[in-house]
Amino acid sequence: DVKVTQSSRYLVKRTGEKVFLECVQDMDHENMFWYRQDPGLGLRLIYFSYDVKMKEKGDIPEGYSVSREKKERFSLILESASTNQTSMYLCASETDRGRDTGELFFGEGSRLTVL
Amino acid sequence: AQTVTQSQPEMSVQEAETVTLSCTYDTSESDYYLFWYKQPPSRQMILVIRQEAYKQQNATENRFSVNFQKAAKSFSLKISDSQLGDAAMYFCAYRTSGTYKYIFGTGTRLKVLA
Repeated sequence: DVKVTQSSRYLVKRTGEKVFLECVQDMDHENMFWYRQDPGLGLRLIYFSYDVKMKEKGDIPEGYSVSREKKERFSLILESASTNQTSMYLCASETDRGRDTGELFFGEGSRLTVL
Repeated sequence: AQTVTQSQPEMSVQEAETVTLSCTYDTSESDYYLFWYKQPPSRQMILVIRQEAYKQQNATENRFSVNFQKAAKSFSLKISDSQLGDAAMYFCAYRTSGTYKYIFGTGTRLKVLA
């Protein structure tokens, strides 16, 4: 089974702290995504990566950056956390064929609270 | 720009009954895909069913089926013989063929009553 593992299920950080959310997938998938999930807003794409060191901005990239140094790992970075970044963060991956199958594989999510 | 609308924030169904979740979308593209994803409480989101826009036949996966009305831009999910394990948040999603970007709806929370 494909496994997408997010490093932390729950985090509490203070305003201004640097936050790292890590995601690892074990199926050699080319594409990886970071989404933000908020009630009433669904899932919104923050960043997408289609290869090592390659990234594209999603719909809400402001205040976030990403890193993909290895194919299996995709990190989301909040350079200076703010209270409006309190949310659930979902990582997902898919094979490059996935663009036509729609089979995104998700992690369990990281619930971040910024105080 | 493409949009996906789920107008039912919450639905309830009795165990063993049938329920239909609604989804409408807007796009000017002709080649695209539609999906339903399920997010159980505190568990990973998983793909339930997908539909290619060029296929007229509605997709079916066991107790899950869709009613795809391309002209009306409607894509509803029917769950037959509802089970307690079907309780979850359901998201409708759209993707233009050949792109990487999914557009998700706001979700419908389904409660299954014993």
